[in-house]
Amino acid sequence: QLQLQESGPGLVKPSETLSLTCTVSGGSISSSSFYWGWIRQSPGKGLEWIGSIYFSGNTHYNPSLKSRVTISVDTSKNQFSLNLSSVTAADTAVYYCARDGAAAVGTLGIDAWGQGTLVTVSS
Amino acid sequence: DIQMTQSPSSLSASVGDRVTITCRASQSISFYLNWYQQKPGKAPELLIYAASSLEAGVPSRFSGSGSGADFTLSISSLQPEDFATYYCQQSYSSPFTFGPGTTVDIK
Repeated sequence: QLQLQESGPGLVKPSETLSLTCTVSGGSISSSSFYWGWIRQSPGKGLEWIGSIYFSGNTHYNPSLKSRVTISVDTSKNQFSLNLSSVTAADTAVYYCARDGAAAVGTLGIDAWGQGTLVTVSS
Repeated sequence: DIQMTQSPSSLSASVGDRVTITCRASQSISFYLNWYQQKPGKAPELLIYAASSLEAGVPSRFSGSGSGADFTLSISSLQPEDFATYYCQQSYSSPFTFGPGTTVDIK
């Protein structure tokens, strides 16, 4: 059974870099059938797609965050990671890692999610 | 970016009711539309992908329809466990944007 688990600091200071890792178990991150991505949800708000990565390293980012976001993959560890630089209080959110079905055009929906991890930006 | 809207933003319904939620994209997205259910404190769960395909394990009372820019999620007979927030998401063009959500609560 596929499982995704986020890990990383729950508290980050303003202007610093938020770093999270997602460990995938029960399946291979090197599968050609999926993208691996990050979605966040500010307290009491809706869902915001951050970006995703293919096992080959090909990435897609949300333009609203693109200048600050880097997503990387480590196939040897079956992990992928999120770095978000120059954070502010507006980046306080629950961050989810997720698996998204790849298609010839676009994707086929996020069929697996991590439990989510709350990251608070505060001094 | 493709903008997604949902209506209504919230609704009150009773167990056994038929419920319909609408999602509209700012441009045609073919059939690349997904529906998720989220309960408080939990990650979203995929209900419907590619506009009308039921995700494995999801009850058949959930159904999706539409193509192009207009889509619908229907729940044929609302059950107590269906009270939640529902989000649509376009997966046609990056960034894969979500709708603002529709909260279904108990009348």
